[in-house]
Amino acid sequence: NAGVMQNPRHLVRRRGQEARLRCSPMKGHSHVYWYRQLPEEGLKFMVYLQKENIIDESGMPKERFSAEFPKEGPSILRIQQVVRGDSAAYFCASSLRQGLRDNEQFFGPGTRLTVL
Amino acid sequence: DQQVKQNSPSLSVQEGRISILNCDYTNSMFDYFLWYKKYPAEGPTFLISISSIKDKNEDGRFTVFLNKSAKHLSLHIVPSQPGDSAVYFCAASENRDDKIIFGKGTRLHILP
Repeated sequence: NAGVMQNPRHLVRRRGQEARLRCSPMKGHSHVYWYRQLPEEGLKFMVYLQKENIIDESGMPKERFSAEFPKEGPSILRIQQVVRGDSAAYFCASSLRQGLRDNEQFFGPGTRLTVL
Repeated sequence: DQQVKQNSPSLSVQEGRISILNCDYTNSMFDYFLWYKKYPAEGPTFLISISSIKDKNEDGRFTVFLNKSAKHLSLHIVPSQPGDSAVYFCAASENRDDKIIFGKGTRLHILP
């Protein structure tokens, strides 16, 4: 019974390159959330997706960042033309249904992105 | 603009004693509060939650207290054990929202 899986665990990119972060939710979960943790900060919500739909992207930067959760396959967080300030740990979480009450968001181990 | 504040970056407690982690919030629309525990190189793990209609919730060694008038909550761990050494995040959400607002965390060290 695998938990939330994220890959890669570590990703190094040079400025201007693209970063693709993958998240496979827990089996049976169709709700996915992405959070970013900058150094010495708490996790900050980025986006909430259900299969093929973006439900809430209020935490996503306006440019260079996009997310998808296709009908088949993992959720992808894409960062185009990365800059040093994108260096952070990116966590994905999944849940069985909408809402937080009696509906835990299970977190993956995170992808640590380093931009050189 | 930090809506969830954990003012103690770290805390050291003797094994067997009580650990008290504090958290303040500014958004009066928050109606659900959570505590997460995080080990290095792992994602956060849910510990315990409390709805704004309650002032206390207990689960084994963990108790969360909520003081709405003071916009303050605390997590009590008793007795503290070595495996409790981790970073603890206080978090909140509002109005049946799905996004969780996290504090910066408090690193708890349990001393032998």
